[in-house]
Amino acid sequence: NAGVTQTPKFRVLKTGQSMTLLCAQDMNHEYMYWYRQDPGMGLRLIHYSVGEGTTAKGEVPDGYNVSRLKKQNFLLGLESAAPSQTSVYFCASSYSRQVGTRNNEQFFGPGTRLTVL
Amino acid sequence: AQSVTQPDIHITVSEGASLELRCNYSYGATPYLFWYVQSPGQGLQLLLKYFSGDTLVQGIKGFEAEFKRSQSSFNLRKPSVHWSDAAEYFCAVTDMEYGNKLVFGAGTILRVKS
Repeated sequence: NAGVTQTPKFRVLKTGQSMTLLCAQDMNHEYMYWYRQDPGMGLRLIHYSVGEGTTAKGEVPDGYNVSRLKKQNFLLGLESAAPSQTSVYFCASSYSRQVGTRNNEQFFGPGTRLTVL
Repeated sequence: AQSVTQPDIHITVSEGASLELRCNYSYGATPYLFWYVQSPGQGLQLLLKYFSGDTLVQGIKGFEAEFKRSQSSFNLRKPSVHWSDAAEYFCAVTDMEYGNKLVFGAGTILRVKS
């Protein structure tokens, strides 16, 4: 099993450009998440999904959109990139809490380092 | 709202010395608590987790953590630190009301001096 994979690993954008980050998991997890990591702030939740076709806002959703058309994929889109979106983006997945409380551990991808100039 | 506080931004210990990283959480119900480690340029690796039961939890790489409800704490410990333990450590609590999202502390950077 590959676990959670993210593409691309690195990207540099100019202000106003758009891009999509792809997250894929092969563990049949229901829940998927997008976090951003900034120095001194830990990881903050951007959006999440509790199942195929569903999405919800997290703590810092502005400037981002997401889609979960397939259970194994969770896409994060930036329609018009801004320098404030320079960050490291992590995707994670987990079973739902209904499966059992011991199964709600989140598994993280390797991250995407995005720089917006 | 749930929150996690890691009071120490940086900690430096000598190789072979003991280590304790502090974590305090704010959560109304029984918390599900985690410690993750991140090496430079890498993703997050789970060290250990607490759901219920024994309040002393053993993890990988010789780490352990103790859940103390009365103090709202989940401190991470290791009896003898190795140079390879130098990394950033994150404490997190699950927010069961929002898709099991993780609420992270700001992290503690561990430096190990030889």
